[in-house]
Amino acid sequence: QKEVEQNSGPLSVPEGAIASLNCTYSDRGSQSFFWYRQYSGKSPELIMFIYSNGDKEDGRFTAQLNKASQYVSLLIRDSQPSDSATYLCASARGNQFYFGTGTSLTVIP
Amino acid sequence: SAVISQKPSRDICQRGTSLTIQCQVDSQVTMMFWYRQQPGQSLTLIATANQGSEATYESGFVIDKFPISRPNLTFSTLTVSNMSPEDSSIYLCSVGHYYNEQFFGPGTRLTVL
Repeated sequence: QKEVEQNSGPLSVPEGAIASLNCTYSDRGSQSFFWYRQYSGKSPELIMFIYSNGDKEDGRFTAQLNKASQYVSLLIRDSQPSDSATYLCASARGNQFYFGTGTSLTVIP
Repeated sequence: SAVISQKPSRDICQRGTSLTIQCQVDSQVTMMFWYRQQPGQSLTLIATANQGSEATYESGFVIDKFPISRPNLTFSTLTVSNMSPEDSSIYLCSVGHYYNEQFFGPGTRLTVL
């Protein structure tokens, strides 16, 4: 079992819709969780992090964490074509850091 | 966030040779990581480089093939030794602190002929 699992997609949403990206993790001791965006040919870019149960909002992005269910999600509101990328979920515990395989998102104009 | 640079940004190398990739950060960081990412694939951690100690390698990666140096808190190198075409990939360094977010450098695109 992988430490962090994501649906590889591809996920397609129309412009202006809400994109929902999901991630599960296996280590209950994980302390922090991250969402990275990676455009083709570029390195991953941190867009959100969350440490506590509940929701964390930053602009059009909302990260949700449910430690009881070991579930992390990222919602992108008013999706734009520029949001088309691969989204990587990651968890951290101490100096151990685990990445998921990523979900490919395409926003259709 | 940290500003991270990598050199070279890309290279084309011959089989059997070695390439050293440099990673420079604009501030002191606790941990530096080296990843490999093949086209269309996710990140694979090669090793964690800690200043003043030996790098910690992940399963499937060995020091003889991927020697790492970490002489101070702002710099690290990764050498890809005795290269074969299977080593063609993007190599990324990242930096972070204990259980906090990692920030990535721009990557080094390596092609081995």
